[in-house]
Amino acid sequence: SQQGEEDPQALSIQEGENATMNCSYKTSINNLQWYRQNSGRGLVHLILIRSNEREKHSGRLRVTLDTSKKSSSLLITASRAADTASYFCATDSNQAGTALIFGKGTTLSVSS
Amino acid sequence: DAGVTQSPTHLIKTRGQQVTLRCSPKSGHDTVSWYQQALGQGPQFIFQYYEEEERQRGNFPDRFSGHQFPNYSSELNVNALLLGDSALYLCASRFAGRQETQYFGPGTRLLVL
Repeated sequence: SQQGEEDPQALSIQEGENATMNCSYKTSINNLQWYRQNSGRGLVHLILIRSNEREKHSGRLRVTLDTSKKSSSLLITASRAADTASYFCATDSNQAGTALIFGKGTTLSVSS
Repeated sequence: DAGVTQSPTHLIKTRGQQVTLRCSPKSGHDTVSWYQQALGQGPQFIFQYYEEEERQRGNFPDRFSGHQFPNYSSELNVNALLLGDSALYLCASRFAGRQETQYFGPGTRLLVL
């Protein structure tokens, strides 16, 4: 079963605009990670935010985490055509193990 | 520094056959996990290997088995292939001492006819 659910499922924007994707999850977590996937290839790790953190930045990426609402958001600022990809959030249950549980992803299309 | 590598990149099999996929972890990593990603879905956890033993398993049947070698590389074996096994199989590695970021390989795309 999939824990994370990304919203929206698809997003189309113009270059230079900001893109915001949301993720909700069900159980308590140790951390939450965001990954990018281009055209069905491997996953590229973008950013990790720990359960005791509320916001994290990396370049044009900003991630927030609200553990009370069991939700996270990924903001990509000043988007580029190269940002076109699928974006997944992944959580690891703090109960046992480090298996990542992924949502179905958000497909982002950035047009020039 | 080589990242996670997987072989082969693509594979076509027929129903009932068996397949073996291979993964070499990122340098310095000792833990390998396998994921199955069906078209249009997020990856689903199959199992994880550490110290040559299966440490954690997802909701996959016994037809899915694996192995980890002393050099930390790993194999995923799938027996009695079904059409529904067609997917992208992803390998991820990490260092057990840091239970955080997992790095993924490019995947093996398996098509079962």
